[in-house]
Amino acid sequence: EPEVTQTPSHQVTQMGQEVILRCVPISNHLYFYWYRQILGQKVEFLVSFYNNEISEKSEIFDDQFSVERPDGSNFTLKIRSTKLEDSAMYFCASSTQGLYSGANVLTFGAGSRLTVL
Amino acid sequence: TQLLEQSPQFLSIQEGENLTVYCNSSSVFSSLQWYRQEPGEGPVLLVTVVTGGEVKKLKRLTFQFGDARKDSSLHITAAQPGDTGLYLCAGAVRGYQKVTFGTGTKLQVIP
Repeated sequence: EPEVTQTPSHQVTQMGQEVILRCVPISNHLYFYWYRQILGQKVEFLVSFYNNEISEKSEIFDDQFSVERPDGSNFTLKIRSTKLEDSAMYFCASSTQGLYSGANVLTFGAGSRLTVL
Repeated sequence: TQLLEQSPQFLSIQEGENLTVYCNSSSVFSSLQWYRQEPGEGPVLLVTVVTGGEVKKLKRLTFQFGDARKDSSLHITAAQPGDTGLYLCAGAVRGYQKVTFGTGTKLQVIP
């Protein structure tokens, strides 16, 4: 069964360092997303991406965050200068259709755990 | 901002018991999904409901979307230890390219 692959599974970094989290979405999917889940809290939307541009972003997704689809297969989330509060599980997801269609199937990756010290 | 509140937050029951998890909001959603999340893994989609009043069944799981499309419920019949996990509802609104997740219900089924 096709799956969304995320690397690394766990990254530990020092506050202020740049971090890049990588995702390989399902090959025929067109819509890509990043979500995060701080330990013990709910899953929060960060950003959605379609046709090589951001289609929607949350208040969390400030200037420290950026996304890129550099080569047609990878989808990356970059945090420029990490803060302690960026520690969380980051999930990548992809879908074939836009979520407004009502028939969307969002497939999530297993997540990348980011620990900022 | 759409908020989805789930109840109960935690549920610990014996194998064989029935249970219902609720997902409530003051907002109207175009569709609502239910996911199950295991520790250390991403959410896995169980079902999507799109029509007010819709009922969908997945083996021992029954999902219902409220008539006004503001709430949903998940009913599990004869719970098994394999049902243990975090259950999440998530809503999508037409015109927005995101789903908003609920607060989650952690279910433990004791053998």
